Amino acid sequence: KAGVTQTPRYLIKTRGQQVTLSCSPISGHRSVSWYQQTPGQGLQFLFEYFSETQRNKGNFPGRFSGRQFSNSRSEMNVSTLELGDSALYLCASSLSENEKLFFGSGTQLSVL
Amino acid sequence: AQSVTQLGSHVSVSEGALVLLRCNYSSSVPPYLFWYVQYPNQGLQLLLKYTTGATLVKGINGFEAEFKKSETSFHLTKPSAHMSDAAEYFCAVSRASGNTPLVFGKGTRLSVIA
Repeated sequence: KAGVTQTPRYLIKTRGQQVTLSCSPISGHRSVSWYQQTPGQGLQFLFEYFSETQRNKGNFPGRFSGRQFSNSRSEMNVSTLELGDSALYLCASSLSENEKLFFGSGTQLSVL
Repeated sequence: AQSVTQLGSHVSVSEGALVLLRCNYSSSVPPYLFWYVQYPNQGLQLLLKYTTGATLVKGINGFEAEFKKSETSFHLTKPSAHMSDAAEYFCAVSRASGNTPLVFGKGTRLSVIA
């Protein structure tokens, strides 16, 4: 069974641009969560989707948004990029709530 | 609100020595507790989790952790460190009831010296 796939693996953008990151969960998993990982702040929860509905949202500005499609694939978008958005963005999927999270390898975003 | 504190951002041990990574949590309701490991340039992998029942939890790669409610702790141990254990380790907490996202600690980087 294929694991969680995140694309692209690396991304370089400049301030003010927008970016879209993609996540394909493990087949059969309906829950997808997104985390931002930085050296200073560690792992911070962005949002979680279940069956195309946002079920939880972290404390991030509205520039960060996401969605989930009917096939459970998910995208997150960051608009008007800032230098501080440089981070590793991790996607994780699970069968349902409170189940084990399976993480992808992440997308490393650098904002110049 | 729930939170996790990992004591020591960096721990260094000799190969063959005991590994002890400390985690204390704060939760107003019964918690679910997790330890994850992250190798360089990879995502996180679950080592073990505590939900209910036996307080000593055994995980993969010889790691185990003990849930101590009175101390609000969930420390991770391994009797004998191996070079391949060098990685970053994250403790996480969620609520036992209802759907809540995992809250992670800031991580502890484990170095193993030959």
